[in-house]
Amino acid sequence: AQRVTQPEKLLSVFKGAPVELKCNYSYSGSPELFWYVQYSRQRLQLLLRHISRESIKGFTADLNKGETSFHLKKPFAQEEDSAMYYCALGRAGSYQLTFGKGTKLSVIP
Amino acid sequence: GAGVSQSPSNKVTEKGKDVELRCDPISGHTALYWYRQSLGQGLEFLIYFQGNSAPDKSGLPSDRFSAERTGGSVSTLTIQRTQQEDSAVYLCASSFTMASAYEQYFGPGTRLTVT
Repeated sequence: AQRVTQPEKLLSVFKGAPVELKCNYSYSGSPELFWYVQYSRQRLQLLLRHISRESIKGFTADLNKGETSFHLKKPFAQEEDSAMYYCALGRAGSYQLTFGKGTKLSVIP
Repeated sequence: GAGVSQSPSNKVTEKGKDVELRCDPISGHTALYWYRQSLGQGLEFLIYFQGNSAPDKSGLPSDRFSAERTGGSVSTLTIQRTQQEDSAVYLCASSFTMASAYEQYFGPGTRLTVT
């Protein structure tokens, strides 16, 4: 069975400091990994996906199949990055996403 | 260009009562998903509809939970004989095609409180 683990429930960093939100997955097949974000009083929305190799709002995430990780990183945190972040795993042939329990990022001014 | 809408936004009900939660997906989206978001538990998949295919009900936690999707559009999630552990935010999401099923557009959620 597939599983997504986000070890940190809460992560607090100072503005301008680097951010790394950890995500590890367990899946025997070829994974599709995503990061979703939910800002205060807003809807859950897609932030980025590994297949696109994109940088969104300064965030990047690299899929490391050897370590089965998909950590989300940003070199300099901004106050507006404060939000709930969910890592999600998609499986080939299925339209389900398995979500982690989320990490609440708090950027301290 | 409205997004996914859900109603009601909040629902308080007594234990043992039935509740119905509604989801209006984005027009033209063929896939519709229901999730449950509990404090500290992340998002729990409940059920998935794709076009006219039989729904994937593998995530429904008990037979008190059911969902239907009429005319390939609006969906209703019904919880019978509600229990306190059913208290959560229920999220609906939709996506356009099978190819982009992973890019799910979420609604604002319905916060259900069972007293």
